Amino acid sequence: NAGVTQTPKFRILKIGQSMTLQCTQDMNHNYMYWYRQDPGMGLKLIYYSVGAGITDKGEVPNGYNVSRSTTEDFPLRLELAAPSQTSVYFCASSYGTGSTEAFFGQGTRLTVV
Amino acid sequence: KQEVTQIPAALSVPEGENLVLNCSFTDSAIYNLQWFRQDPGKGLTSLLLIQSSQREQTSGRLNASLDKSSGRSTLYIAASQPGDSATYLCAVPVFSGGYNKLIFGAGTRLAVHP
Repeated sequence: NAGVTQTPKFRILKIGQSMTLQCTQDMNHNYMYWYRQDPGMGLKLIYYSVGAGITDKGEVPNGYNVSRSTTEDFPLRLELAAPSQTSVYFCASSYGTGSTEAFFGQGTRLTVV
Repeated sequence: KQEVTQIPAALSVPEGENLVLNCSFTDSAIYNLQWFRQDPGKGLTSLLLIQSSQREQTSGRLNASLDKSSGRSTLYIAASQPGDSATYLCAVPVFSGGYNKLIFGAGTRLAVHP
C-alpha cells in the first residue's frame, strides 16, 4: 500500500519558471491537502480539496493553483516561481474532516534561485 | 485562534532514558490530536492519534496522553534509542473559514546518542 506519493523529491527552479508538484493517494481518501514547511516553522496550509472537482484556498494560497479531477490526484501548480516559494511541500490526505487521521507524503524540496 | 506550542524545541539525551515531549494548545475544543515523526529530509509519519474522548493512546514504546481541559498533550518515549532521533510534531484539526486544516506546533528536535 503506497499511501501518499509525491513527485519530484527535489527540484531547483529559476525565478519566473513554472512547475507542477504531483501528489497521488491510493487510500480512496476524500480530503487532500497541500502544506508548505519553512525552517523553524510549523506547516501552513496552501490549498485543500474535499473531493473530486472541489478545491479551496488555505492560509497561504498566493502564487499557487490546484486541481482535483480524480479522487486520487491533487497536483499543485506554481506559475511564476519566486524565491519566497523556496520551501518543502507536503501533500496529505484523510478520509474526512475532524476526527480522522492525516497521512503525509515524503515531501518535495523546492529551491527557487 | 488555535495555537499549538511544543516544548522543548530541542532535546539531547543518552540512550536508554525515558522522555516526555510536551504539546499545548490554546483552544480546548478539539476533535483529536495527532503526533507525527519527521526524519531529516523526509515526510511526516503518523505515530499516534488521540480522539477527544480518549485520555491516552499507546504504540510500542510510545504513549501519548491528552488533557483537553488543560490544553495539553504529552508524548512519552520509553527506553529511548538512537533510532528515535527525529523531530516530533503535534497537530490539531480546526475548522476555519469553511475549511478543515491541521494546526502544527513547531516541533521538538530529539537527538538520542549512544
